[in-house]
Parts: sequence; C-alpha cells; structure tokens
Amino acid sequence: QSALTQPASVSGSPGQSITISCTGTSNNVGIYNLVSWYQHHPGKAPKLMIYEGTKRPSGVSDRFSASKSGNTASLTISGLQAEDEADYYCCSYAGGSTLLFGGGTKVTVL
Amino acid sequence: QVQLQESGPGLVKPSGTLSLTCAVSGGSITSSNWWSWVRQSPGKGLEWIGEIYHTGNTNYSPSLKSRVTMSVDKSKNQFFLKVRSVTAADTAVYFCARDQSGTGTSALDSWGQGTLVTVSS
Repeated sequence: QSALTQPASVSGSPGQSITISCTGTSNNVGIYNLVSWYQHHPGKAPKLMIYEGTKRPSGVSDRFSASKSGNTASLTISGLQAEDEADYYCCSYAGGSTLLFGGGTKVTVL
Repeated sequence: QVQLQESGPGLVKPSGTLSLTCAVSGGSITSSNWWSWVRQSPGKGLEWIGEIYHTGNTNYSPSLKSRVTMSVDKSKNQFFLKVRSVTAADTAVYFCARDQSGTGTSALDSWGQGTLVTVSS
C-alpha cells in the first residue's frame, strides 16, 4: 500500500483560509467515508481533528472542516491562526482492517 | 481523560528485537476500544503499524505483519509492541494511541507523546 498523497507544504496569512488535499484511490479514500485528520506539533502527541470524513471531536475549533470528492479528501482551515502552524496528516481506512496515512503537510502561517 | 505513555529501550541493535510498552491510565484497556501503534521515521510521515483489542485480536499493517507482534496485559493496563529483525529503517518515534471505535481501524483519539527508538550497533 502506498501512502496517501498530500502536498508537502501549504502556507497562508493569518485570517486566510487554506485547504490541504489528500489523494488516495478507489480502494481507500474513494470507497470509505472513514478519513481522519491529525494535527501534529513536532515533539508532541498528534491530535485528532476530524473523523469519519467530516466530524469534529469535542473541543476542536469549527475553523477546521473537511470534505471529500471522489478519491480526494480535503481539510480546510478557516481564519488561519499562528497556533495552526503544524504538520497535518490524513488517514483512511484501507480495507482488510488496515489504516493508511498520508505523507503529511507542513502548514506555515506567514 | 485517558492517557498513554510509551516506554522501552531507546537503542536496539540491528537484527535484534524492538520491544515497547504502552501504559494506559485514566481508563481501562478492557473498554470498547482498540489500541494502536504508529511510528514516524526521521523526516517522514506517520505509519500505522497495527492495533490490538483486549481480547488479543490483532490487525497489522501488511508491510510489517511478518515482523510484528502485539500483546496486552489487562492486569497491568498495558499493551505491547515487538518488532523482530530490525534494521536502520525501523529507527523512528513510536507512538501508542487509542482507536475511538469498538470495531477498530477508525480514528485515533488519544495518543502518547512518543518514544524514539534508534537501531544502531
């Protein structure tokens, strides 16, 4: 299984919106509504931001939203803030009781 | 609020076995959750290794399945990871995490801080 494809980096100014894509195949992202997204500040524990494609866990800001079209899932961060600067990973159920992560996207707040 | 803490040797020799423990606190390992291991090699992304349920049922990544064993000790509220025949490619920060779903392979809603394991002679 190859990792899901994410852009290496995305940047934006405070207050702007950015979108991170996550491209898989019809064997994972395309067929299951089980994409999750994680925020990871290096040296800390990753944090679940989105699960089951579009759902936000309690306590996660509504500035974070997600969607899917075909084999590509997307995470949008609205009203970008300095604290949003981190690495973001998508993850999808990949069949056969396995999970598959994306390569990660570094978000920079300019 | 469940908390997870990884522990184990930080240095393993090539061809040896990597052994890690994840201690769960603030919740029971016998709850309706699966328990996962994820790793991050230097400069790379996250990689799912596998998961275990408190009954001992496991699911492993196809790429690591031949070298990985997971187990659980309900009396100690801990679960474990073993990776055999390690090489430098197994050098990584290893995280343990809780899957929020009772069916597994869902979303990981609680994570440990991670522990660095280096494979070197």
